[in-house]
Amino acid sequence: DIQLTQSPSSLSASIGDSVSITCRASQGISSYLAWYQQKPGKAPTLLIYSASTLQSGVPPRFSGSGSGTDFTLTISSLQPEDFATYYCQQSNNYPITFGQGTRLEIK
Amino acid sequence: QVQLQESGPGLVEPSGTLSLTCIVSGDSINSHHWWSWIRQLPGQGLDWLGEIYHTGLTHYQPSLRSRLTISFDMATNSFSLTLKSVTATDTAVYYCARGNGRQWLARDSWGQGALVTVSS
Repeated sequence: DIQLTQSPSSLSASIGDSVSITCRASQGISSYLAWYQQKPGKAPTLLIYSASTLQSGVPPRFSGSGSGTDFTLTISSLQPEDFATYYCQQSNNYPITFGQGTRLEIK
Repeated sequence: QVQLQESGPGLVEPSGTLSLTCIVSGDSINSHHWWSWIRQLPGQGLDWLGEIYHTGLTHYQPSLRSRLTISFDMATNSFSLTLKSVTATDTAVYYCARGNGRQWLARDSWGQGALVTVSS
């Protein structure tokens, strides 16, 4: 199985800050990497696919980069609605796997 | 706009069978997407369980392969999950989701989730 390791596991930031979350794969996954946001009690929503393509309707302050084994989600100018948990997910190989999640909290 | 909705019992007895159905609207099960089940244990992250393609091809989480079956029903445009011999460790929120074949198999649409508790 491909392991995805996110860092940090949790993060505190203020409104207006820029933050980055990294996702490292245990082996190369090309660009088959997606990022999701999940708020408490809600289903995840897709933010980024193919490592860097913004899903329709997602604000441009979200961006993704990387390929192979190292990926980054960057959120610029944090808004109140961005405080949530973020997951990366690979679909290059079965079984499909998710990172353990990064909880973004308000400082 | 595609929408997915899970349905099924919220309580299952230990050693019983957990069955959920995901009704799809706004898209056809017979399209070039993968139809997935993902669960989230209480307070934990997301775990992919398995998925099915319109050809009937399935992929399963290896640790669940002996207990899990995913199938579809073209007549009702739905797909289902059956998990046998459940224990309390199968208590979770179960999500159905679409793996978009045009978006590098990202899960672009999700159901709202169904909480299933395994308890007597």
